Amino acid sequence: KAGVTQTPRYLIKTRGQQVTLSCSPISGHRSVSWYQQTPGQGLQFLFEYFSETQRNKGNFPGRFSGRQFSNSRSEMNVSTLELGDSALYLCASSRGTGTGSYEQYFGPGTRLTVT
Amino acid sequence: AQSVSQHNHHVILSEAASLELGCNYSYGGTVNLFWYVQYPGQHLQLLLKYFSGDPLVKGIKGFEAEFIKSKFSFNLRKPSVQWSDTAEYFCAVEDDYKLSFGAGTTVTVRA
Repeated sequence: KAGVTQTPRYLIKTRGQQVTLSCSPISGHRSVSWYQQTPGQGLQFLFEYFSETQRNKGNFPGRFSGRQFSNSRSEMNVSTLELGDSALYLCASSRGTGTGSYEQYFGPGTRLTVT
Repeated sequence: AQSVSQHNHHVILSEAASLELGCNYSYGGTVNLFWYVQYPGQHLQLLLKYFSGDPLVKGIKGFEAEFIKSKFSFNLRKPSVQWSDTAEYFCAVEDDYKLSFGAGTTVTVRA
């Protein structure tokens, strides 16, 4: 079974620009979560989607948004990029409901550098 | 909000030594607990999980963890480490579809 895939793997953007990151979950998984990983703040939860609905959201500014499509694929968008947005953005998928619904499997991440 | 504390920032061991990494969380209700591992250059992998039942859970690669409800702890153990266990280890608590992670412990195993 293929794992969680994220595209692109690396991205360099300039302050003020916006960026869209993509995530394809494991087949059969309906929940997708996004996390930001930085050396200073560690792993922080951004948001979680299940069946195209956001079920939970972390403490990030409104510049960070996401969505999920009917095929469970998800995108996250960061507008008006700041230097502090430089991070590894991780996507995780899980069944989202039923047995094993809480087991999240992570993708390799997208390394975003803002200059 | 959940908070997760990992006791050690960096642990250095020799091969065949025993490993124990501490993890404490703040929430007093029903929790789902996880340990994840991140090997150098690789993505986060699920090492083991606890949802309910036997508080001693076994994971991959010989790791185990013990859930002690009264101490709000979920400590990770391995009786005999190998060089290949060099990695960063994260404890996580799930609440309302959200994982809260500890700061991570870097484990370096010397051959």
